[in-house]
Amino acid sequence: GQQLNQSPQSMFIQEGEDVSMNCTSSSIFNTWLWYKQDPGEGPVLLIALYKAGELTSNGRLTAQFGITRKDSFLNISASIPSDVGIYFCAGQLGGTASKLTFGTGTRLQVML
Amino acid sequence: DGGITQSPKYLFRKEGQNVTLSCEQNLNHDAMYWYRQDPGQGLRLIYYSQIVNDFQKGDIAEGYSVSREKKESFPLTVTSAQKNPTAFYLCASSRQVQETQYFGPGTRLLVL
Repeated sequence: GQQLNQSPQSMFIQEGEDVSMNCTSSSIFNTWLWYKQDPGEGPVLLIALYKAGELTSNGRLTAQFGITRKDSFLNISASIPSDVGIYFCAGQLGGTASKLTFGTGTRLQVML
Repeated sequence: DGGITQSPKYLFRKEGQNVTLSCEQNLNHDAMYWYRQDPGQGLRLIYYSQIVNDFQKGDIAEGYSVSREKKESFPLTVTSAQKNPTAFYLCASSRQVQETQYFGPGTRLLVL
């Protein structure tokens, strides 16, 4: 099955810095989702995007649905230690037989 | 308190044994899913169920079986035919199959 390409694979940042990550696909999606996973836990939904070009915020997080429908971006502003974890994007085509296709993940580590 | 529960948190299996992982939800969701996660990789879909008494193979169904006799429950059996079962298994549910998925806390399966 297809997996989406996420970059970067991992990143070390200083507390207080802004973070950007992206996700790209060879095919289009009608919904883009961003999840965060803490070690040993299930992913938690952060942001859902339903329309090409849409820009949505959730606190310090902002995500965009790419205009081509083949990519999405997640930004975290003023990072804090609890932002540590793995961030996954997921695309969904839609319809009654729709499945989620997940990205390979971006591991974020914050240095104090 | 609504949500998705998975048990056990850790499970050990001997070579040649079948084991069953539990997933229960009290969100009144119609659709349920099983994913497998390997280190450094995204989530891969094993099986999903759109409604009670129905289920469909995902991308990596070989060596696994499921049942959906009740709306709240979607157990996954890892059979002896699964040659590399050591992984983190995640259950998810959504109101309907094309809607946003929410994840349980996961079960880590280790083969002795």
